[in-house]
Amino acid sequence: DAKTTQPPSMDCAEGRAANLPCNHSTISGNEYVYWYRQIHSQGPQYIIHGLKNNETNEMASLIITEDRKSSTLILPHATLRDTAVYYCIARSNYKLTFGKGTLLTVNP
Amino acid sequence: DSGVTQTPKHLITATGQRVTLRCSPRSGDLSVYWYQQSLDQGLQFLIQYYNGEERAKGNILERFSAQQFPDLHSELNLSSLELGDSALYFCASSLEGSWDQPQHFGDGTRLSIL
Repeated sequence: DAKTTQPPSMDCAEGRAANLPCNHSTISGNEYVYWYRQIHSQGPQYIIHGLKNNETNEMASLIITEDRKSSTLILPHATLRDTAVYYCIARSNYKLTFGKGTLLTVNP
Repeated sequence: DSGVTQTPKHLITATGQRVTLRCSPRSGDLSVYWYQQSLDQGLQFLIQYYNGEERAKGNILERFSAQQFPDLHSELNLSSLELGDSALYFCASSLEGSWDQPQHFGDGTRLSIL
């Protein structure tokens, strides 16, 4: 799996959009970009994934650059319950390789 | 609620002992994955089973073993336990085994070795 780079922490005001960046400059053509989050020692929660096109679901949007070297996860209206560690993963096999992720803190 | 059930939630035991962790996947999912999360190593993939057969191996120690039963539930067996085995153990499941499908995680078993 390609290495991903994320900022260690970010803050966001409640009700505002949270934009979490991820760099995956060595990603190969068959690697999907996955986002998971983990809320304090709970099991990781799947958020969204994509290959080339932008994706949106009920939780978030995923914007992948045209060269696929980076992506951004967007939580449109962050709430306090969105405070968590967010993991960006470039996946090309059965396993998920988790890095250190970004600790997103949503402030009131 | 992910639909993945892990038991027990907490387990406390001593060094040298053996324990079994259990996982019931989401209804309809054929693939089960085990992960270990410790403070110093982060979340590490251990092993995957698909429809009863071992599919992939990660950083699983020889003292650890797993299996998936005909009803698709899985067990992770940890033996000759050491202090360093204290960790959160997560099970995840997916519909099949391919990497374009998300994995759904249970809430984990917290193992404490005294």
